[in-house]
Amino acid sequence: GAVVSQHPSRVICKSGTSVKIECRSLDFQATTMFWYRQFPKQSLMLMATSNEGSKATYEQGVEKDKFLINHASLTLSTLTVTSAHPEDSSFYICSARGAGGLYEQFFGPGTRLTVL
Amino acid sequence: AQKVTQAQTEISVVEKEDVTLDCVYETRDTTYYLFWYKQPPSGELVFLIRRNSFDEQNEISGRYSWNFQKSTSSFNFTITASQVVDSAVYFCALRPTGYTDKLIFGTGTRLQVFP
Repeated sequence: GAVVSQHPSRVICKSGTSVKIECRSLDFQATTMFWYRQFPKQSLMLMATSNEGSKATYEQGVEKDKFLINHASLTLSTLTVTSAHPEDSSFYICSARGAGGLYEQFFGPGTRLTVL
Repeated sequence: AQKVTQAQTEISVVEKEDVTLDCVYETRDTTYYLFWYKQPPSGELVFLIRRNSFDEQNEISGRYSWNFQKSTSSFNFTITASQVVDSAVYFCALRPTGYTDKLIFGTGTRLQVFP
């Protein structure tokens, strides 16, 4: 099956710093990548959808200047949490879908961000 | 409105018991997809099944089975003879065709299987 990786798996940072999370599709070309956020014991909430080579589409309520998404290639998307604060602490999960796929999104293992 | 409801927040069973996880969805689309995902403690989402709205046949895969009922807008998931390794959070999700890719997740059901 299709494999999606995320790096880092865990990150702890100080308040005010920026953190970059990478999402890679390892064995397929991902024309579309998605970023989700999951608070403890809660569901996944879609933050944004990114298509390779174009600007990301953010969901309502998600600050695009705070959560910068770049999808520069067909195998890599990055999420940068700028000026992170403790309330940004969460589990961030990416998923990827290839071209012509049967609408299945393949999920990465997630990145746990803790902002002190 | 597009919505997925998983009313059971937590279920506990003893090994070998059968367990059914409920999922009720809302959509005005006539064509849509439904999914079930498993999220073990490690956090990674594992795809279990995809079903399109035109296919109401029930599906069985090993100990897993799914019951899709359009009349009640439900897509329930049954694990037969549960095992400790089935302990996880299970999410039901809806992909309406009005949104080319967006998945709408339910709140999840945490299943604990005790030995």
